Formats: sequence, C-alpha cells, structure tokens
Amino acid sequence: GAGVSQSPRYKVAKRGQDVALRCDPISGHVSLFWYQQALGQGPEFLTYFQNEAQLDKSGLPSDRFFAERPEGSVSTLKIQRTQQEDSAVYLCASSLGFAAGSSYEQYFGPGTRLTVT
Amino acid sequence: GNSVTQMEGPVTLSEEAFLTINCTYTATGYPSLFWYVQYPGEGLQLLLKATKADDKGSNKGFEATYRKETTSFHLEKGSVQVSDSAVYFCALSDLVLTGGGNKLTFGTGTQLKVEL
Repeated sequence: GAGVSQSPRYKVAKRGQDVALRCDPISGHVSLFWYQQALGQGPEFLTYFQNEAQLDKSGLPSDRFFAERPEGSVSTLKIQRTQQEDSAVYLCASSLGFAAGSSYEQYFGPGTRLTVT
Repeated sequence: GNSVTQMEGPVTLSEEAFLTINCTYTATGYPSLFWYVQYPGEGLQLLLKATKADDKGSNKGFEATYRKETTSFHLEKGSVQVSDSAVYFCALSDLVLTGGGNKLTFGTGTQLKVEL
C-alpha cells in the first residue's frame, strides 16, 4: 500500500519568504508527527497530532512555525519569514494510533529538504 | 529530559566483519527503544525495537537487547554485507511522559560503510 508521502521533496526559499510543506499520512493513521533533521544530526521532534487535534507542539522552535491537520488526514507545516537556520530536512511520520502501554510503529516519509538562501 | 547517545561514525568495516554500534539512553519513565536505518536516498525505516527490559529486538540479522541496568541498547550483527551500508539511528519513546503520543527522541546517527 501507499506509504507516507511529502511534497515538495526539495524547496529553496529566499530568506524572509513563507513556505508550506505537505504531508500525506498512511490512510487510517490517527497519529501524525513532524520532525526536523539538521545536516549530520538525528531528527528532532517538532509537533504531534492525534486526528485533527494538535496535542503537543513543544518542539516548534519559534512562533514562525505553524502546523495544522484540519480534517485529521493531510497535514501542513508552515514556516513564516524563513531564516537560514531553518535549512534542514523536515520529516513527517504517521502511526496507527496511541494507547497506554503500547508502542505503535512510526512510518516516515521521504522528507522535504528546505534550503534557505 | 530524555536523551540518546550513540557512537560517532563513520564506522568502516570489511564485508563479513562483526558490527557493534553502541547506544545509551537517559529517560525518566519506561521507554521503548528502537533502531532506525536510513539507506542512501531513502527515508527512515524501523529496523528493530524492544519495549521492555531484557527484550531482544531482531531483524535482518541485526539484534539489540534492552539493558535497563546499563541503560543501553547496542546494535549488533554477526556478519555485515555491503548492502548494510547506511546511517543507523538509535531512538527512544517514553510512553509515560508523552501522554498524547509516543514521540521519538533520536541519537545523532552512526554512518556505517561496508567494503568488499
């Protein structure tokens, strides 16, 4: 079946521009995560959705970062007034759901590589 | 807070050599532990996992045992192949603290290069 898809795969933005990154999770997956991966580093958590509810946004680095998942499926990560330090790969992951005592596998998309010039 | 520390790379081995990639963690709850792999040009894939102490995760000849007493989850393979060349990430998910979701905390990754 189809995996997690992300678009665009590559994005070049001039400093100060706004960007929108899209994530299509696996159909039926309740949980959706965004991570940021800087060059040579591991992914770092940004935010988490359970259906359309954003339950954790503790990893968003500033108020320039905004994420939404209005219908509980597709999600968009928006970065306003991009800065050079925003250059990274942005990863989306989805999982079937969450229940206490279990650990559902997260399936990752290929990522969007953002370069801010 | 939670953290994962793994050995720095790159690790370069000859084909059929024994592989160990060390991983230690810090967590305040009862984490599940994971190894993810990123092959060149591909996305992150789950390699194996363990959800409680003394569990052993295994897949594709790779193994890792959840050691609570040493807070470790070292990745091992008895005989590596050229096709194992990739970046390996150790990660944890602390189900106690993240009541809303099992977000992952990753290490910095270890690049493995296997040569003929």
